[in-house]
Amino acid sequence: KNQVEQSPQSLIILEGKNCTLQCNYTVSPFSNLRWYKQDTGRGPVSLTIMTFSENTKSNGRYTATLDADTKQSSLHITASQLSDSASYICVVSSGTYKYIFGTGTRLKVLA
Amino acid sequence: NAGVTQTPKFQVLKTGQSMTLQCAQDMNHEYMSWYRQDPGMGLRLIHYSVGAGITDQGEVPNGYNVSRSTTEDFPLRLLSAAPSQTSVYFCASSYSSSTSETQYFGPGTRLLVL
Repeated sequence: KNQVEQSPQSLIILEGKNCTLQCNYTVSPFSNLRWYKQDTGRGPVSLTIMTFSENTKSNGRYTATLDADTKQSSLHITASQLSDSASYICVVSSGTYKYIFGTGTRLKVLA
Repeated sequence: NAGVTQTPKFQVLKTGQSMTLQCAQDMNHEYMSWYRQDPGMGLRLIHYSVGAGITDQGEVPNGYNVSRSTTEDFPLRLLSAAPSQTSVYFCASSYSSSTSETQYFGPGTRLLVL
């Protein structure tokens, strides 16, 4: 069964600290992996997308990594800001029109 | 560009009522889709469209209808609302149906069925 699992479910950090969110997937066939940021009450917004051959992709203070052998991805947030408080969703694409969404990690950044 | 817009933002229905959730995009995107987001679950695909006049079912299509008469609009109809359809609904669009394209999501419609 195609699945995307994210950990932790929730995380609280202090402003300025770094954090890493995890995504493990069992999806076949694999097309690409995305990370989305979803602010409360808003739709998801794409942060990064990685194909099978890409190990790392950055978007400002967000850096995603992908290990296709172990089927793991991580999202590292550097020097967190209050505006980083949101849910972060890992999504794996499989074939045509097929997206498997994780349940997300809820991040809270405190001043 | 307004991007992807959805109306209404919030709706309360009684069991058995019908309604249409509106979705529009002004980016000339070919691919549009509807998802529902429930607590503790990832987004699930309800219906999608790869162009005007072409629609297909996603993972959880029961109880919902769609049509795509224009490139811009992709309404979602609830035929006879049930409490199990209480959810947040997101419309998304992308330039093509290729999964390498970025999907742009609307702000969502929060639906409560009593």
